[in-house]
Amino acid sequence: GESVGLHLPTLSVQEGDNSIINCAYSNSASDYFIWYKQESGKGPQFIIDIRSNMDKRQGQRVTVLLNKTVKHLSLQIAATQPGDSAVYFCAENLRGSQGNLIFGKGTKLSVKP
Amino acid sequence: DAGVIQSPRHEVTEMGQEVTLRCKPISGHDYLFWYRQTMMRGLELLIYFNNNVPIDDSGMPEDRFSAKMPNASFSTLKIQPSEPRDSAVYFCASSSRAGPNEKLFFGSGTQLSVL
Repeated sequence: GESVGLHLPTLSVQEGDNSIINCAYSNSASDYFIWYKQESGKGPQFIIDIRSNMDKRQGQRVTVLLNKTVKHLSLQIAATQPGDSAVYFCAENLRGSQGNLIFGKGTKLSVKP
Repeated sequence: DAGVIQSPRHEVTEMGQEVTLRCKPISGHDYLFWYRQTMMRGLELLIYFNNNVPIDDSGMPEDRFSAKMPNASFSTLKIQPSEPRDSAVYFCASSSRAGPNEKLFFGSGTQLSVL
């Protein structure tokens, strides 16, 4: 079965609110995680990544949290904007693999004005 | 840098026809990946290359699918004969190296419709 999954397939938020997108992974051997954003008609675009030796990493308006105890990953978007509307994928990289990322099914984020 | 370039953007063909998708990775990247995206199955890795050599093709659905990378700047994914169930968006991606700092750069994809 798929080792990366998402709790919510869709998420609707008000513009200006914070968004939290969740992801569960099942493979404890994964040591690297990435969040991608995919806008309509485009390919996935890298947002932020985190290694398994960290539990938090911040970027511009985005924060990724990693909880290895419960194998949970989340992406927080501060002050969500209409341009954030997209499908968000988490992906994991198994330790020792040569580059085979495993993608989750994705969560669609809709931002209401 | 122009990023990963894929062609064509859209392809409509009839069942049984041969389809060839093309990809130009980012210059200097050592890894090239082909993914297929459908609503039902999400993003699936089909095959990836390292320094033009196929490393893992376990995701290739069947013998109708083949991929080549004749040089560092070009790769093709071929489906022969095509079937309606092959309809999907096919993405090519490249990365400079695999491992802890891996980051994939995706092209805009080829929307394939097999009638």
